[in-house]
Amino acid sequence: DAKTTQPPSMDCAEGRAANLPCNHSTISGNEYVYWYRQIHSQGPQYIIHGLKNNETNEMASLIITEDRKSSTLILPHATLRDTAVYYCIVRVDWGSSGDKLTFGTGTRLAVRP
Amino acid sequence: DGGITQSPKYLFRKEGQNVTLSCEQNLNHDAMYWYRQDPGQGLRLIYYSQIVNDFQKGDIAEGYSVSREKKESFPLTVTSAQKNPTAFYLCASSSRRPGRAYEQYFGPGTRLTVT
Repeated sequence: DAKTTQPPSMDCAEGRAANLPCNHSTISGNEYVYWYRQIHSQGPQYIIHGLKNNETNEMASLIITEDRKSSTLILPHATLRDTAVYYCIVRVDWGSSGDKLTFGTGTRLAVRP
Repeated sequence: DGGITQSPKYLFRKEGQNVTLSCEQNLNHDAMYWYRQDPGQGLRLIYYSQIVNDFQKGDIAEGYSVSREKKESFPLTVTSAQKNPTAFYLCASSSRRPGRAYEQYFGPGTRLTVT
């Protein structure tokens, strides 16, 4: 599975867009990009995933570059409740290691009032 | 509401005792997972089950056991053989639909403290 690189921390003002980058330069053609977040002392929460095209749902947008070597998770109007650690994960659909999600250290996003 | 429940939220045990953590889901998901998280660290997979009556070891299965007798339930037993059982335990489930393999839904977790 491709390795991902994320900045350790970021902050943004409440109401503004939060843009969280992720580099995955060794991604292969059949690997998906998944984003999760974990609010303190809670279980991780699935946000969004994509393969090639940009994706949008009620929580966020995912922008994947044309070469697929990086992606950006966009929270369009960040609120204080979006303060969390955000994880970018790259996985093949049904990999040989048994559906395991490998969470690295992620990006700690702080939304300030 | 559909979701995953774990109980209890906090659990305290004496060293040498086995303890079973509960995980129930009503999402009609085939696959279920147990992860462990230590302070400041990522999640590590303990066991997973892709179908009833079948389960596989994850990366850190030693000292743990599971069963999957019903689709909705995947209890985890932390045995006395687990050397460092104090941790935050998370249960998750997922549909096995193509393209959505890693869309996993997590429960609120059980924080186990063994003294």
